[in-house]
Amino acid sequence: QKEVEQNSGPLSVPEGAIASLNCTYSDRGSQSFFWYRQYSGKSPELIMFIYSNGDKEDGRFTAQLNKASQYVSLLIRDSQPSDSATYLCAVRSEGFKTIFGAGTRLFVKA
Amino acid sequence: NAGVTQTPKFQVLKTGQSMTLQCAQDMNHNSMYWYRQDPGMGLRLIYYSASEGTTDKGEVPNGYNVSRLNKREFSLRLESAAPSQTSVYFCASNDRGSTNEKLFFGSGTQLSVL
Repeated sequence: QKEVEQNSGPLSVPEGAIASLNCTYSDRGSQSFFWYRQYSGKSPELIMFIYSNGDKEDGRFTAQLNKASQYVSLLIRDSQPSDSATYLCAVRSEGFKTIFGAGTRLFVKA
Repeated sequence: NAGVTQTPKFQVLKTGQSMTLQCAQDMNHNSMYWYRQDPGMGLRLIYYSASEGTTDKGEVPNGYNVSRLNKREFSLRLESAAPSQTSVYFCASNDRGSTNEKLFFGSGTQLSVL
């Protein structure tokens, strides 16, 4: 079992809709949770991080964390074609290594 | 502001050849990482260095060695390259213990082993 699991997609949503991306992790000692966006041929870039249970909002992005269920999600409101990318969930366990999921490809149709 | 610099950007090797991927960061970060990315596999951690003078294995360390030369530099060596090591390699760094543990990535090295 991979430490961080994501649905590889692709997830296709129409422009203006809400895109919902999900991630589960296996290590209950995990402390920090991240969402990175990666455009084709580019390096990953951080879009959200969350440490505590609940929701964290930043503009059109909302990260949700449920440690009891070992579940992290990312909601993208008012999706735009420029949001089309691969979204990588990452988890930092005890220690300092950060483990990534396989990524979910998102397509936003104009 | 250079950030994380990786060299080379592209490399083609023959099976059995050796090479070293270089990585340097100018942000005074404590921790540095090497990841590989294969289609559909996300980023997989090869080795990491939590601080200068320490290195630890990640998820897929076999066939690789690393050296944390100083606080700025973290190199990845392939002693005898194999076709299974064809991948895109990313170096990253972050500030261990900061409130935002954002990883800063280099631009990647596309490696092909024939």
